[in-house]
Amino acid sequence: DVKVTQSSRYLVKRTGEKVFLECVQDMDHENMFWYRQDPGLGLRLIYFSYDVKMKEKGDIPEGYSVSREKKERFSLILESASTNQTSMYLCASSVLGGRAQDTQYFGPGTRLTVL
Amino acid sequence: QKEVEQDPGPLSVPEGAIVSLNCTYSNSAFQYFMWYRQYSRKGPELLMYTYSSGNKEDGRFTAQVDKSSKYISLFIRDSQPSDSATYLCAMNDQGAQKLVFGQGTRLTINP
Repeated sequence: DVKVTQSSRYLVKRTGEKVFLECVQDMDHENMFWYRQDPGLGLRLIYFSYDVKMKEKGDIPEGYSVSREKKERFSLILESASTNQTSMYLCASSVLGGRAQDTQYFGPGTRLTVL
Repeated sequence: QKEVEQDPGPLSVPEGAIVSLNCTYSNSAFQYFMWYRQYSRKGPELLMYTYSSGNKEDGRFTAQVDKSSKYISLFIRDSQPSDSATYLCAMNDQGAQKLVFGQGTRLTINP
């Protein structure tokens, strides 16, 4: 069974703090993704990575950066947290170059509140 | 206009009812269509996948794709309280590594 784990289920931070969200997958997947999920807006892609040290911007990268130093780990960084970054953050992984229908496997999510 | 539109609901139906969930899309290049189910406080998990047009059945669930209308559906027969969740449609085109998601529909099945 694929397992995607995220470092925290719930996180409360203050405006201006630097925030690190960690994601680890155990299936040797090349692709990893960071989404945020907000009511009425669905899942929006922030960044994704298809290899170590490789990254591509998604639909809403502003205010975020990412790091992928090891294949199994993909970090999302909020350089200076703001209240509009309060959201549910979901990490996912999938096989690179697999069939288009090869699914993305999701972690349980981190609910981040920025005060 | 969003590439994928999905009514967010909420949708509430009695146990045993047939449920119909739908998405429309604008990109005619999409060929792969998925439905994810997300229980409260969990990440989404793949429920069904369909390629191109047609129907696919899996137990009480049927996924339907009409590419001519750019419209996909998920039907749940004999709905159970355990089906209560948010259902997200997702789709992509050949070779794409990214998925485009709908907003998700929150479904409640009342005993």
